Amino acid sequence: DIQMTQSPSTLSASVGDRVTITCRASQSISSWLAWYQQKPGKAPKLLIYKASSLESGVPSRFSGSGSGTEFTLTISSLQPDDFATYYCQQYNSYSLTFGGGTKVEIK
Amino acid sequence: QLQLQESGPGLVKPSETLSLTCTVSGGSISSSSYYWGWIRQPPGKGLEWIGSIYYSGSTYYNPSLKSRVTISVDTSKNQFSLKLSSVTAADTAVYYCARLDTIFGEIDYWGQGTLVTVSS
Repeated sequence: DIQMTQSPSTLSASVGDRVTITCRASQSISSWLAWYQQKPGKAPKLLIYKASSLESGVPSRFSGSGSGTEFTLTISSLQPDDFATYYCQQYNSYSLTFGGGTKVEIK
Repeated sequence: QLQLQESGPGLVKPSETLSLTCTVSGGSISSSSYYWGWIRQPPGKGLEWIGSIYYSGSTYYNPSLKSRVTISVDTSKNQFSLKLSSVTAADTAVYYCARLDTIFGEIDYWGQGTLVTVSS
């Protein structure tokens, strides 16, 4: 099984900050990586797919990069609506694995 | 607009079988571009993929749950279903049904989720 390790698990930041979340795969997954945002009591929302493709309707302050085993999600200027938990997810050989999540809190 | 809606009992007794159905509206479950899957989230914890199914009936399961999981599809009703046997308190979670892209595996549509509690 491919394991996904996200860091940090919690991040404290202020509005306007640049925020970076990292996700590492236990083996190469090419670009088969997605990022999600989840708010309390809600289903996750797709932000990024294929490692760096922005889902339609998602603000351009969100960006993804990486390939192979190391990936990042960047929020260029944190907005009040962005305080949430973020998950990465890999897809390989019809199997999915999620990272443990990163909670972005208000500093 | 595609919508997915989970339905089923919110309370299941230990050792029994959890059964949920996902009804897809606003699109066809028989699309060749998508899989249909189940993901769960225990209270206060992260996301866990349970398994996926193609409209043809091909299934893919999380190895850690494979011995207890069955996912099936009914294309005539535009529904797919989850059965998880021999449940314990550790299976208490919000269960989501979802649509997965067949190429890059991203999940672009989710149901609202349904809380299933395992308790006597």
